[in-house]
Amino acid sequence: GENVEQHPSTLSVQEGDSAVIKCTYSDSASNYFPWYKQELGKGPQLIIDIRSNVGEKKDQRIAVTLNKTAKHFSLHITETQPEDSAVYFCAASPSWGKLQFGAGTQVVVTP
Amino acid sequence: GAVVSQHPSWVICKSGTSVKIECRSLDFQATTMFWYRQFPKQSLMLMATSNEGSKATYEQGVEKDKFLINHASLTLSTLTVTSAHPEDSSFYICSARARTSGTDTQYFGPGTRLTVL
Repeated sequence: GENVEQHPSTLSVQEGDSAVIKCTYSDSASNYFPWYKQELGKGPQLIIDIRSNVGEKKDQRIAVTLNKTAKHFSLHITETQPEDSAVYFCAASPSWGKLQFGAGTQVVVTP
Repeated sequence: GAVVSQHPSWVICKSGTSVKIECRSLDFQATTMFWYRQFPKQSLMLMATSNEGSKATYEQGVEKDKFLINHASLTLSTLTVTSAHPEDSSFYICSARARTSGTDTQYFGPGTRLTVL
C-alpha cells in the first residue's frame, strides 16, 4: 500500500518568511495529492490539491509542486502570518481511492 | 460550498454505553463517506469507508461490531461506538467525497471529541 513520509515534524518561522513542507510517497499509482490545514480541536481543512498531470499549482500565498518521477511533492507558504500557525498534513491517493496521510507538520509563525 | 457537519461536537459517556455520531454533507451529495480517528498529536487513521446503500468497508484492525456505520442517504452517515471503553476516547472525524466536476476531493467535518469515563 501507499506510504507517505512528511518532513519536518515541526517548523518555526518568523512572520513574513516562507515555510516549506516536503512529502514523499511510495505508490506510483497515486495521482492525487491534497494538503490539509488542521487547527487545534478542529477538522482538517483542504487548502490546496494537485493532480499528477500538473507540476505546480498556486493559490495566493500557497503553492504546491509535484515531482512524479522522484515521487515527492511540497507545500510552499509565502509571507507567513500568525494565522498560518497550525498542523499541516499532506496526503496521497490514486483516483477515487483512500487517502494516505503524512504524519503532519506543526507550523508556528512567530510575530 | 462543500460543507460537512458533525454532531455532536463533543460527548462524554460512561463506560459500557453506546454513542452515535452523525456526519452530514450540507450542500452536496456524497456517495462515499469516510470515518477517521485521531489521537493527540498524531495523524488521521482511516477506520472505514462508507458507500451509500451498502455495507461499510473496515480497515484492518477495526472491529466492525464495535464501530457500526450506517450510510442511509447521500447526505448522512452515522458512526455508533458500541459498549464504549476509555480506550475508545479519541477525536472522530468524517469526510465526504464530492462528485463535483468529476473530481474526488474529500471534505472533512469538524470532528467529534469522545471521552469515555
